[in-house]
Amino acid sequence: GAVVSQHPSRVICKSGTSVKIECRSLDFQATTMFWYRQFPKQSLMLMATSNEGSKATYEQGVEKDKFLINHASLTLSTLTVTSAHPEDSSFYICSGLEGNQPQHFGDGTRLSIL
Amino acid sequence: ELKVEQNPLFLSMQEGKNYTIYCNYSTTSDRLYWYRQDPGKSLESLFVLLSNGAVKQEGRLMASLDTKARLSTLHITAAVHDLSATYFCAVDWNTDKLIFGTGTRLQVFP
Repeated sequence: GAVVSQHPSRVICKSGTSVKIECRSLDFQATTMFWYRQFPKQSLMLMATSNEGSKATYEQGVEKDKFLINHASLTLSTLTVTSAHPEDSSFYICSGLEGNQPQHFGDGTRLSIL
Repeated sequence: ELKVEQNPLFLSMQEGKNYTIYCNYSTTSDRLYWYRQDPGKSLESLFVLLSNGAVKQEGRLMASLDTKARLSTLHITAAVHDLSATYFCAVDWNTDKLIFGTGTRLQVFP
Protein backbone atom coordinates (compact mmCIF):
# COMPACT_ATOMS: atom_id res chain seq x y z
CA GLY A 1 0.00 0.00 0.00
CA ALA A 2 0.91 3.64 -0.33
CA VAL A 3 3.36 4.89 2.28
CA VAL A 4 3.91 8.36 3.63
CA SER A 5 7.10 8.90 5.58
CA GLN A 6 7.24 11.72 8.09
CA HIS A 7 10.44 12.93 9.73
CA PRO A 8 11.39 13.52 12.45
CA SER A 9 9.07 11.49 14.63
CA ARG A 10 9.89 13.56 17.67
CA VAL A 11 11.61 16.85 18.24
CA ILE A 12 12.32 18.84 21.36
CA CYS A 13 13.69 22.32 21.03
CA LYS A 14 13.98 25.64 22.76
CA SER A 15 11.49 28.42 22.42
CA GLY A 16 12.30 30.76 19.55
CA THR A 17 13.86 28.20 17.26
CA SER A 18 12.45 27.06 13.92
CA VAL A 19 11.62 23.45 13.25
CA LYS A 20 11.20 21.74 9.90
CA ILE A 21 9.09 18.63 9.42
CA GLU A 22 9.30 16.59 6.23
CA CYS A 23 6.57 14.55 4.64
CA ARG A 24 7.45 12.22 1.79
CA SER A 25 5.30 9.96 -0.32
CA LEU A 26 7.47 6.92 -0.92
CA ASP A 27 5.69 4.97 -3.59
CA PHE A 28 3.21 7.35 -5.13
CA GLN A 29 3.03 10.90 -6.35
CA ALA A 30 1.11 13.09 -3.97
CA THR A 31 -0.51 15.84 -5.98
CA THR A 32 -1.90 17.23 -2.77
CA MET A 33 -0.60 17.03 0.77
CA PHE A 34 -2.36 18.04 3.94
CA TRP A 35 -1.02 19.10 7.32
CA TYR A 36 -2.95 18.46 10.50
CA ARG A 37 -2.37 19.37 14.11
CA GLN A 38 -3.61 17.41 17.08
CA PHE A 39 -3.50 18.63 20.67
CA PRO A 40 -3.64 16.07 23.48
CA LYS A 41 -6.96 14.29 23.76
CA GLN A 42 -8.40 16.30 20.89
CA SER A 43 -9.26 15.62 17.30
CA LEU A 44 -7.20 16.36 14.22
CA MET A 45 -7.54 19.86 12.85
CA LEU A 46 -6.63 20.60 9.26
CA MET A 47 -4.04 23.35 9.10
CA ALA A 48 -3.35 23.68 5.41
CA THR A 49 -3.57 22.09 2.00
CA SER A 50 -0.60 22.16 -0.32
CA ASN A 51 -0.47 21.39 -4.00
CA GLU A 52 2.78 20.72 -5.77
CA GLY A 53 4.26 23.87 -7.22
CA SER A 54 1.75 26.30 -5.77
CA LYS A 55 1.18 28.18 -2.55
CA ALA A 56 -0.47 26.38 0.31
CA THR A 57 -4.04 27.16 1.31
CA TYR A 58 -4.37 27.73 5.03
CA GLU A 59 -7.42 27.11 7.15
CA GLN A 60 -8.98 29.94 9.06
CA GLY A 61 -7.02 30.85 12.15
CA VAL A 62 -3.74 29.27 10.99
CA GLU A 63 -0.94 31.81 10.63
CA LYS A 64 0.73 31.31 7.28
CA ASP A 65 3.80 33.26 8.34
CA LYS A 66 4.28 31.02 11.33
CA PHE A 67 3.65 27.71 9.61
CA LEU A 68 5.55 27.78 6.34
CA ILE A 69 4.63 25.04 3.92
CA ASN A 70 6.60 24.11 0.86
CA HIS A 71 5.54 21.48 -1.66
CA ALA A 72 8.34 21.60 -4.17
CA SER A 73 7.87 18.16 -5.67
CA LEU A 74 5.23 15.48 -6.03
CA THR A 75 6.86 13.46 -3.27
CA LEU A 76 7.90 16.02 -0.68
CA SER A 77 6.18 18.63 1.42
CA THR A 78 7.71 20.43 4.37
CA LEU A 79 6.21 22.29 7.28
CA THR A 80 8.41 24.79 9.08
CA VAL A 81 7.26 26.09 12.42
CA THR A 82 9.01 29.44 12.73
CA SER A 83 9.98 30.96 16.05
CA ALA A 84 8.27 28.15 17.88
CA HIS A 85 6.76 28.72 21.31
CA PRO A 86 5.42 26.31 23.92
CA GLU A 87 1.85 26.76 22.64
CA ASP A 88 3.00 25.30 19.31
CA SER A 89 3.76 22.01 21.04
CA SER A 90 1.52 19.45 19.42
CA PHE A 91 1.34 16.33 17.30
CA TYR A 92 1.66 17.22 13.61
CA ILE A 93 0.46 14.74 11.00
CA CYS A 94 0.77 14.97 7.24
CA SER A 95 -1.07 13.07 4.57
CA GLY A 96 -0.67 12.60 0.86
CA LEU A 97 -3.33 12.34 -1.78
CA GLU A 98 -3.00 10.73 -5.18
CA GLY A 99 -5.86 11.26 -7.57
CA ASN A 100 -9.15 10.03 -6.19
CA GLN A 101 -7.65 7.69 -3.61
CA PRO A 102 -8.09 8.08 0.15
CA GLN A 103 -5.46 10.10 1.98
CA HIS A 104 -2.41 8.24 3.25
CA PHE A 105 -1.19 9.44 6.62
CA GLY A 106 2.32 9.80 7.94
CA ASP A 107 3.33 8.55 11.36
CA GLY A 108 3.23 12.03 12.86
CA THR A 109 5.76 14.31 14.53
CA ARG A 110 5.56 15.11 18.20
CA LEU A 111 6.85 18.62 18.70
CA SER A 112 7.75 19.80 22.17
CA ILE A 113 8.88 23.38 22.70
CA LEU A 114 10.58 24.11 25.99
CA GLU B 1 -19.44 25.26 8.20
CA LEU B 2 -19.22 21.50 8.28
CA LYS B 3 -19.47 19.94 11.71
CA VAL B 4 -18.80 16.33 12.51
CA GLU B 5 -19.87 15.08 15.89
CA GLN B 6 -19.35 11.73 17.49
CA ASN B 7 -20.96 10.18 20.47
CA PRO B 8 -20.14 9.01 22.91
CA LEU B 9 -16.86 10.84 23.48
CA PHE B 10 -15.75 8.21 25.93
CA LEU B 11 -16.83 4.62 26.13
CA SER B 12 -15.83 2.11 28.75
CA MET B 13 -17.13 -1.34 28.03
CA GLN B 14 -16.68 -4.84 29.24
CA GLU B 15 -15.15 -7.52 27.08
CA GLY B 16 -17.74 -9.49 25.19
CA LYS B 17 -20.27 -6.66 25.01
CA ASN B 18 -21.61 -4.90 21.95
CA TYR B 19 -21.80 -1.19 21.39
CA THR B 20 -22.23 1.42 18.67
CA ILE B 21 -20.42 4.69 18.06
CA TYR B 22 -22.34 7.35 16.17
CA CYS B 23 -21.02 9.95 13.76
CA ASN B 24 -23.28 12.80 12.66
CA TYR B 25 -22.29 15.38 10.10
CA SER B 26 -23.95 18.59 9.06
CA THR B 27 -23.73 18.69 5.27
CA THR B 28 -23.70 16.38 2.29
CA SER B 29 -20.56 14.43 1.52
CA ASP B 30 -19.36 11.80 -0.91
CA ARG B 31 -17.22 9.81 1.44
CA LEU B 32 -16.91 8.95 5.07
CA TYR B 33 -13.96 7.34 6.77
CA TRP B 34 -13.33 5.59 10.03
CA TYR B 35 -9.90 5.60 11.63
CA ARG B 36 -8.32 4.12 14.70
CA GLN B 37 -5.63 5.90 16.68
CA ASP B 38 -3.54 4.30 19.39
CA PRO B 39 -1.90 6.54 22.02
CA GLY B 40 1.06 8.42 20.59
CA LYS B 41 0.47 7.03 17.12
CA SER B 42 -0.90 8.26 13.84
CA LEU B 43 -4.08 7.09 12.15
CA GLU B 44 -4.90 3.61 10.96
CA SER B 45 -7.52 3.45 8.24
CA LEU B 46 -10.42 1.15 9.07
CA PHE B 47 -13.18 1.79 6.56
CA VAL B 48 -14.11 3.94 3.59
CA LEU B 49 -17.83 4.32 2.97
CA LEU B 50 -18.73 5.63 -0.43
CA SER B 51 -22.48 5.52 -0.84
CA ASN B 52 -25.77 5.54 0.95
CA GLY B 53 -26.46 2.23 2.59
CA ALA B 54 -22.84 1.11 2.43
CA VAL B 55 -21.89 -1.44 5.04
CA LYS B 56 -18.40 -2.77 5.66
CA GLN B 57 -17.15 -5.26 8.17
CA GLU B 58 -13.72 -6.23 9.38
CA GLY B 59 -13.44 -8.60 12.30
CA ARG B 60 -15.44 -7.29 15.24
CA LEU B 61 -16.05 -3.89 13.65
CA MET B 62 -18.82 -2.99 11.24
CA ALA B 63 -19.42 0.44 9.74
CA SER B 64 -22.48 1.75 7.95
CA LEU B 65 -23.49 4.96 6.24
CA ASP B 66 -26.86 6.67 5.86
CA THR B 67 -26.29 9.75 3.73
CA LYS B 68 -29.88 10.89 3.99
CA ALA B 69 -29.67 11.02 7.77
CA ARG B 70 -26.03 12.19 7.58
CA LEU B 71 -25.16 9.46 10.00
CA SER B 72 -22.55 6.78 10.15
CA THR B 73 -22.21 4.10 12.79
CA LEU B 74 -19.33 1.95 13.94
CA HIS B 75 -20.61 -1.16 15.64
CA ILE B 76 -18.42 -3.21 17.94
CA THR B 77 -19.32 -6.84 18.42
CA ALA B 78 -18.06 -8.85 21.39
CA ALA B 79 -15.42 -6.33 22.34
CA VAL B 80 -11.90 -7.43 23.25
CA HIS B 81 -9.15 -5.49 25.02
CA ASP B 82 -7.18 -5.05 21.77
CA LEU B 83 -9.92 -2.78 20.48
CA SER B 84 -9.08 -0.17 23.10
CA ALA B 85 -8.13 2.97 21.16
CA THR B 86 -9.58 6.26 19.97
CA TYR B 87 -11.85 6.05 16.95
CA PHE B 88 -12.44 8.94 14.57
CA CYS B 89 -14.86 9.36 11.75
CA ALA B 90 -13.94 11.85 9.05
CA VAL B 91 -16.03 13.37 6.31
CA ASP B 92 -14.62 14.14 2.89
CA TRP B 93 -15.65 17.69 2.09
CA ASN B 94 -14.83 20.34 -0.47
CA THR B 95 -12.34 18.68 -2.77
CA ASP B 96 -10.77 16.05 -0.61
CA LYS B 97 -10.49 17.95 2.64
CA LEU B 98 -11.15 15.77 5.63
CA ILE B 99 -13.06 17.10 8.57
CA PHE B 100 -12.62 14.88 11.58
CA GLY B 101 -15.13 14.02 14.23
CA THR B 102 -14.53 14.71 17.88
CA GLY B 103 -13.29 11.17 18.47
CA THR B 104 -14.48 8.37 20.73
CA ARG B 105 -12.07 7.01 23.27
CA LEU B 106 -12.83 3.34 23.81
CA GLN B 107 -11.63 1.36 26.77
CA VAL B 108 -12.39 -2.34 26.97
CA PHE B 109 -11.91 -3.97 30.33
CA PRO B 110 -12.08 -7.63 31.38
